[in-house]
Amino acid sequence: QVQLQESGPGLVKPSETLSLTCTVSGGSINTYYWNWIRQPPGKGLEWIGYIYYSGSTNQNPSLKSRVTISVDMSKNQFSLNLSSVTAADTAVYYCAGGGYDRSDYWGQGTLVTVSS
Amino acid sequence: IVLTQSPGTLSLSPGERATLSCRASQSVSSRFLSYLAWYQQKPGQAPRLLIYDASSRANGIPDRFSGSGSGTDFTLTISRLEPEDFAVYYCQHYGSSRWTFGQGTKVEIK
Repeated sequence: QVQLQESGPGLVKPSETLSLTCTVSGGSINTYYWNWIRQPPGKGLEWIGYIYYSGSTNQNPSLKSRVTISVDMSKNQFSLNLSSVTAADTAVYYCAGGGYDRSDYWGQGTLVTVSS
Repeated sequence: IVLTQSPGTLSLSPGERATLSCRASQSVSSRFLSYLAWYQQKPGQAPRLLIYDASSRANGIPDRFSGSGSGTDFTLTISRLEPEDFAVYYCQHYGSSRWTFGQGTKVEIK
């Protein structure tokens, strides 16, 4: 069974870069598409972007200029960098994996708060 | 593409049938597939995939959950609500190499 675990700082200062890593266990990272999805407190889900093991990526157009998603096959991990954060980026960030059109596997989520 | 879910909240009793709607601003179906998925989310938990390709149940999902629809109109039906089914449900579309989520429908105990 594929399992995912997010890791990274829970507090980021405004204007800085949010960096998260997702570690995949129970399966190889060169099998699925890997997504980042976030959920502001009390609100709905927002897709951030995905990466395939080949390095091919796509991002939400509303975030594209600030988002970098990368993959490290040697560590079975993929990562998210979101630059120039503001309070509006405060959310639970989920990593997820599956087909190109849906995610079968999800991490538990990690709350990232943007505050000075 | 914008996905609009209705109703916002559905108040039902255990054992009742739940019908949730997801309407797309334009067709999300190709000749062979509809790229529409449904997820369930309980408080404090990650979403769980229920349905993909509009009507295919994900692994381990009980058969009381069913999905239907094509084009712009899709439905998630829970035939008989169990206590553990009270949650928020989201539809999600893949198209043009990007994803979109609906705003969610909360199914609450009446």
